[in-house]
Amino acid sequence: DTAVSQTPKYLVTQMGNDKSIKCEQNLGHDTMYWYKQDSKKFLKIMFSYNNKELIINETVPNRFSPKSPDKAHLNLHINSLELGDSAVYFCASSQSVLGGYTFGSGTRLTVV
Amino acid sequence: KQEVTQIPAALSVPEGENLVLNCSFTDSAIYNLQWFRQDPGKGLTSLLLIQSSQREQTSGRLNASLDKSSGRSTLYIAASQPGDSATYLCAVSFSNDYKLSFGAGTTVTVRA
Repeated sequence: DTAVSQTPKYLVTQMGNDKSIKCEQNLGHDTMYWYKQDSKKFLKIMFSYNNKELIINETVPNRFSPKSPDKAHLNLHINSLELGDSAVYFCASSQSVLGGYTFGSGTRLTVV
Repeated sequence: KQEVTQIPAALSVPEGENLVLNCSFTDSAIYNLQWFRQDPGKGLTSLLLIQSSQREQTSGRLNASLDKSSGRSTLYIAASQPGDSATYLCAVSFSNDYKLSFGAGTTVTVRA
C-alpha cells in the first residue's frame, strides 16, 4: 500500500485555469505538507497542516489554497495558473517534528 | 536564517569506490536530520533519519554521521554501484521550526 499518494502524477494545463492536486496518507500521521521543487531541483516548503490546522504558510501567493478535510488528506488548489507555477509539487507527512518525513511521488505541473 | 548546504553539487566516481557526501547546517538546535535519495523524475526515498541525540545511523552500505556542535552530517556509501547513481538530499528539522529545510542536493554518478 502506498503510504503517501498524490493525484494526478502529471498535469498539463493552460494559463489562467484552476486546478487541484490531491494527497492522502495512510500512515496515521498528524502533520502534512506541500513542498515545491523548482526547475533547479530545490525543495521548498509551501504549507503545513497539523490535525487539519494550518501551521505554516510560507509566503505563497494567494492563488494557492490548501484544504485539509481530515488529517489524512491535504489538497492543493491553484487558481489562475501562471507559467511560473510549472514545477513538481510534493506532498509529505510526519508523525511529529521528531518523526521522519514520508514523501509522495510528486505531481509534475506544466502550465502552457 | 537557517540554511542547509551540500557540497559538492555533483560527484562522479568509478564503481567500487566509497562515496562521501557532506551536509552542513547553520543552527545546531535541531530535532533531527534526514537523508533522502531522488532518482530523475521520481519522488524522494528516505534513506536514514538521525535524531539530535544520536551520532550516527547505519543501513546496509549506508552510514550517516551527525555532529551537531559543528553543524555537519556526512553520508557514507560503501562500495558504490551504478545503481547508487541519483541525487542525495540532506534535510534538517530545526528546533524552532515545523518543517524540513533542504539542501540543494549532491548528484552522484557511479561509472561502471
